Amino acid sequence: QVQLQESGPGLVKPSETLSLTCTVSGGSISDYYWSWIRQPPGKGLEWIGYIHYSGTTNYNPSLKSRVTISLDTSRNEFSLELTSVTAADTAVYYCGRGAGWWYYWGQGTLVTVSS
Amino acid sequence: QSALTQPASVCGSPGQSITISCTGTSSDVGGYNYVSWYQQHPGKVPKLMIYDVSNRPSGVSNRFSGSKSGNTASLTISGLQAEDEADYYCNSYTSSSSHYVFGTGTKVTVL
Repeated sequence: QVQLQESGPGLVKPSETLSLTCTVSGGSISDYYWSWIRQPPGKGLEWIGYIHYSGTTNYNPSLKSRVTISLDTSRNEFSLELTSVTAADTAVYYCGRGAGWWYYWGQGTLVTVSS
Repeated sequence: QSALTQPASVCGSPGQSITISCTGTSSDVGGYNYVSWYQQHPGKVPKLMIYDVSNRPSGVSNRFSGSKSGNTASLTISGLQAEDEADYYCNSYTSSSSHYVFGTGTKVTVL
């Protein structure tokens, strides 16, 4: 059974960089696409972007200038970096397997942007 | 790219059928069969209910079905049950910058 688990700081200061990692177990990361999706408190879902194990990435145009998704096959994990964060980036961040639909999701991690 | 348009809320009585719409454009919903639907209970992780417009993952009740006509996709829940009360989101591929966009979300209430 594939399982995903997000990890990283729950609090980030404005203008700093948000960094999260998703660890994949029960299957190899060297296959499929891997995505990040977020949900601000009380609001809807927003697709952030994906990475393919080949290294191909695709990002939401509204975040593209600030987002980097990378992959570490040796650790079976992938990561998200979001630079120059503001309060608007406060959200639950989910990792998921897939590009266009997501059957496997992490439990989500709340990241709050505040000084 | 704007979010796909969904009704804010839909309600129905137990046993009834309801339909949630997801309206986009010919650049997304209307142009590709890459529409998926998610159910999310409060404080929980979204659950995939439908993918590629009308396909149901294993384990999802056959009371849930998906379809598409023109630029509008639909999720129908038949035999409505109390456990179906949740938020529902659609998602589609969009050729505008080749990415994916979610719908605005619909709260389903079982009366």
